[in-house]
Formats: sequence, structure tokens, C-alpha cells
Amino acid sequence: DIQMTQSPSSLSASIGDRVSLTCRAAWDVSTYLNWYRHTPGKAPQLLIFSASKLQSGVPSRFSGSGSGTHFTLTISSLQPEDSAIYYCQQTYTSLPTFGQGTRLEI
Amino acid sequence: EVQLVQPGAEVKKSGEPLKLSCTASGYNFTNYWIAWVRQMPGKGLEFMGIVHPRDSTVRYNPSFLHQVTVSADKSINTAYLQWTNLKASDTAIYYCARLAVEWGSWFDPWGRGTLVTVSP
Repeated sequence: DIQMTQSPSSLSASIGDRVSLTCRAAWDVSTYLNWYRHTPGKAPQLLIFSASKLQSGVPSRFSGSGSGTHFTLTISSLQPEDSAIYYCQQTYTSLPTFGQGTRLEI
Repeated sequence: EVQLVQPGAEVKKSGEPLKLSCTASGYNFTNYWIAWVRQMPGKGLEFMGIVHPRDSTVRYNPSFLHQVTVSADKSINTAYLQWTNLKASDTAIYYCARLAVEWGSWFDPWGRGTLVTVSP
């Protein structure tokens, strides 16, 4: 399994802030890296696929970057609905693995 | 609208069987894999396995092989996750998700999840 490590584990920020979340892969996963937002009680939502591609319908304040083993999800101007847990996921291998999540409180 | 619908909750006792459903709508069900993901209480997301509804090909995370069975019925656009003998440690939320494969692969959309509670 490819271990994925996210940092920080939790983060507190304010409306309008810019925040960056980090995800590191134990091995090179190229750009086979996705980001999801999960509000408890709701379905997880795909935000970014293939490291930097914005999923249709996702606000442009979300952006992703990186390749290989180091990836970043940036939210440019936080909104109340961004209070959630964010997960990265590698799909480089046939056994997808997720990071442990970053809890973002607003 | 592409949707995956899951029942909200199941309450069972240890040793009982269970079959969870995931019903798809809004797209051709036989064109995409369906994945199952577990979230244990207070924990993160774990990939369990996938099924292709066209021919019922399945692949498992080795950690879940022989623990669960993944299947699909294309006649009713529904995928399943089942146990023959539940344990208290199976208490978790179980999500289904459509697996898109293009120049990469990702899970989208997801169902809202089924909370499974297994009492000892």
C-alpha cells in the first residue's frame, strides 16, 4: 500500500482566509492524486482530480498542485461551507489509499 | 443528475448476515465501476473493493478479501456489499462511489453512506 500523510491534522481559520493543506505520498504517484471534501452526514465530494484539475461545479476558490510525492490543496477565500474534513487519495496503484484527513474549522 | 442512493442505517446483531445496497441513476450503470469505502468511528476512509456491473468483475483490497462480498445486479442498477457473519468491529459507515477512469481515476459521485451498527 502507498501511505498518504496529510498535514496539518487540524486547522482553524476565518471566513475569507487563504489556507493550504498538504498531502505527501510515501512513493511517487505522479499526478494520480485526488482531493475530497467531507462534511459529516453528507456524501464526500470530489474537488480536485489528477492533482490539479477542478471538478465541474466546484468553486474556483479551490485549486490543487503538485506531482510525485508532494501535493497541496489551496482554498483561496474560505466560506462557511468549507468547514469539513479534507482527504487526499492516490489512485496510482490498483489499491487506492487515502490520507488520514485534515479537519478544517471555520 | 448522477446519483447513488444508499439506505441511511442498519442495526444488526453479531453473527447476522447483511447485504447493503447502492442504487444508481442518471447514467449508464454498466459503464463504470462501483467502489465501496469504509469509515470506522472516528477514523478515515478505507477502500474495500470494486465491482464492474457489466460483467460483475470484482477486485478487493487484500485487507477485506474473504471478509465481505461485492456484487452488482445490472437489471436494477444496484451494487451490493454483503457479510455472512457480522462482527461488532464491522460497525462503521459504508459508502459507495462511482469510479471514473480517464487519464487518471477518481471517485465521483459518492452515496451518502449507510451507518451499520452491530451489537455484540
